Amino acid sequence: QQPVQSPQAVILREGEDAVINCSSSKALYSVHWYRQKHGEAPVFLMILLKGGEQKGHDKISASFNEKKQQSSLYLTASQLSYSGTYFCGTEIIGTSYGKLTFGQGTILTVHP
Amino acid sequence: EAGVTQSPTHLIKTRGQQATLRCSPISGHTSVYWYQQALGLGLQFLLWYDEGEERNRGNFPPRFSGRQFPNYSSELNVNALELEDSALYLCASSLGGVTGVSQPQHFGDGTRLSIL
Repeated sequence: QQPVQSPQAVILREGEDAVINCSSSKALYSVHWYRQKHGEAPVFLMILLKGGEQKGHDKISASFNEKKQQSSLYLTASQLSYSGTYFCGTEIIGTSYGKLTFGQGTILTVHP
Repeated sequence: EAGVTQSPTHLIKTRGQQATLRCSPISGHTSVYWYQQALGLGLQFLLWYDEGEERNRGNFPPRFSGRQFPNYSSELNVNALELEDSALYLCASSLGGVTGVSQPQHFGDGTRLSIL
């Protein structure tokens, strides 16, 4: 039931773009995205609800393809502060709201 | 606005002992979630409390238990500690989660539990 994230790791130069994918084998209520820096708590980025919406925040946006149960996180013009591990958390239809099943994480490293 | 606070920051126990971890949610949040993050692994859902009730539970043995108090703070209890319980335990809070609308979860800094 754990969603699969790809790639496992990505290395960028400042200003480059990246896409992180999250794929589930189960039908989903929602997808949540978090970023965790080493030794710190995960920080909420955005939530996408069933309905195929797309959201954006500054230069970070995401989409949710309900038919494919896939979500993608788009980071444009990356900054050094984007470095960290990105997790997607999924709420699976058939279980109750609130129980997030997280992917294994994608390590993003941005170099100057 | 104060974020989610957890105590203690670090906890060292030996096998067979019992551990109690505490969490205070963001003011106004009624839901509290507990996650285990073992070294090199992702976040594993443990428990979800809302309005004092246990709403959902992850695939963990019964020796992992908890409760939520009337002020919405929560504690996680782990009995008969085993070496593999060594992990970072994260608490998160959100607005009420039983309304049927997914809510963002905001995490605390965690309690590092080490079993010797």
